[in-house]
Amino acid sequence: QVVLTQSPSASASLGASVKLTCTLSSGHSSYVVAWHQQQPEKGPRYLMKINSDGSHTKGDGISDRFTGSSSGAERYLTISSLQSEDEADYYCQTWGSGILVFGGGTKLTV
Amino acid sequence: EVLLVESGGTLVQPGGSLRLSCSASGFTFNDYAMSWVRQAPGKGLQWVSGIGVGGQNKHYADSVKGRFTVSRDDSKNTLFLQMNTLAAEDTALYFCAKDVAQRSVTTVPDYWGQGTLVIVSS
Repeated sequence: QVVLTQSPSASASLGASVKLTCTLSSGHSSYVVAWHQQQPEKGPRYLMKINSDGSHTKGDGISDRFTGSSSGAERYLTISSLQSEDEADYYCQTWGSGILVFGGGTKLTV
Repeated sequence: EVLLVESGGTLVQPGGSLRLSCSASGFTFNDYAMSWVRQAPGKGLQWVSGIGVGGQNKHYADSVKGRFTVSRDDSKNTLFLQMNTLAAEDTALYFCAKDVAQRSVTTVPDYWGQGTLVIVSS
């Protein structure tokens, strides 16, 4: 079964950029990965899907400040021009045969 | 506007049962797979169950298999999760989520509800 690994925490300053990483387990480097944002006390929000070639599809209304990319078994979420509302937990997610798998999440402090 | 509203969460004793509902609007409910995802207090997201278009394909996390049953009523735009033999480890905020694609299995949730809280305690 595929496993997704994320750093537990990250921090960056207002107005700066940050790149969050999600690593797919061995043998699963071709998997599509999605990113979800969860602000404090809210339900998650879908941000985008990232393919192994780095192409990505965003969810409805997602700001251009959020971009996705890929390298090997890693899928990245880059947030530019950081704002206070970007302070949240970010989860990567993939799937297979009807089963969804989430990473442990990265808590971003701005 | 897509809207998902969960209900049914409450305090229940260990070994008890509970049925969660998720009322959907703003999209053609019967065209999309749906999921249940939970979040224990202070923890990350954990997928619980998924149901495909038409309700034929159902999948469960190992931790709930045999105890939980997912179903859907397309005539009422509602998703359900029947939870039996509940244990303390099932205490969590339960979210329902719509899938991004019109498929027979779940892939990526693209809309989420706000969740309903289930507390299993004596």
